[in-house]
Amino acid sequence: DAGITQSPRHKVTETGTPVTLRCHQTENHRYMYWYRQDPGHGLRLIHYSYGVKDTDKGEVSDGYSVSRSKTEDFLLTLESATSSQTSVYFCAISESGQGAETQYFGPGTRLLVL
Amino acid sequence: SQQGEEDPQALSIQEGENATMNCSYKTSINNLQWYRQNSGRGLVHLILIRSNEREKHSGRLRVTLDTSKKSSSLLITASRAADTASYFCATDGGGNEKLTFGTGTRLTIIP
Repeated sequence: DAGITQSPRHKVTETGTPVTLRCHQTENHRYMYWYRQDPGHGLRLIHYSYGVKDTDKGEVSDGYSVSRSKTEDFLLTLESATSSQTSVYFCAISESGQGAETQYFGPGTRLLVL
Repeated sequence: SQQGEEDPQALSIQEGENATMNCSYKTSINNLQWYRQNSGRGLVHLILIRSNEREKHSGRLRVTLDTSKKSSSLLITASRAADTASYFCATDGGGNEKLTFGTGTRLTIIP
């Protein structure tokens, strides 16, 4: 998993609580992404970052916010978790963000919202 | 909405047989990638094919691309138990920085 760690790896939380997931990379790649993976939907992009303090929305950004204060860290926050946000969350990185470029994925975080 | 749709959703074959899975997409692309995901792990890049290419090989993998039909296929020859995984295609929307992933094909190799 190419120098990418995610924490926590597993989390159980209650509806209405805030949750922050962390992605850390040691590759010094410019682009970082957060995806969620759900059965029947594949991977869907939540937010991505193209540099420190530079972020943009993806396909399913409602209910999520992100921050990137350092090149190596990309945080995903669920402001008030809902059961529909139960999912597996993956962080990915790439060097330049071009469509011809490989994305490298972290090991994932399993989130259960009760 | 998903750009890519894989077919079949699930496939089981005997070890040593060839496995073929297909990906259809909706809009024009510059590149198409295939990724593998082992159970409980992140995705791993397998191969990329550009829109001006029709076929590409990498070891036991063969990828084809038909832009007129907006479809791609991934062939794994001489399958092994270690090939058991889910396989996803991913397309770019004409070169922007976002990849769109399909729903995946779950491949099971029976020893």
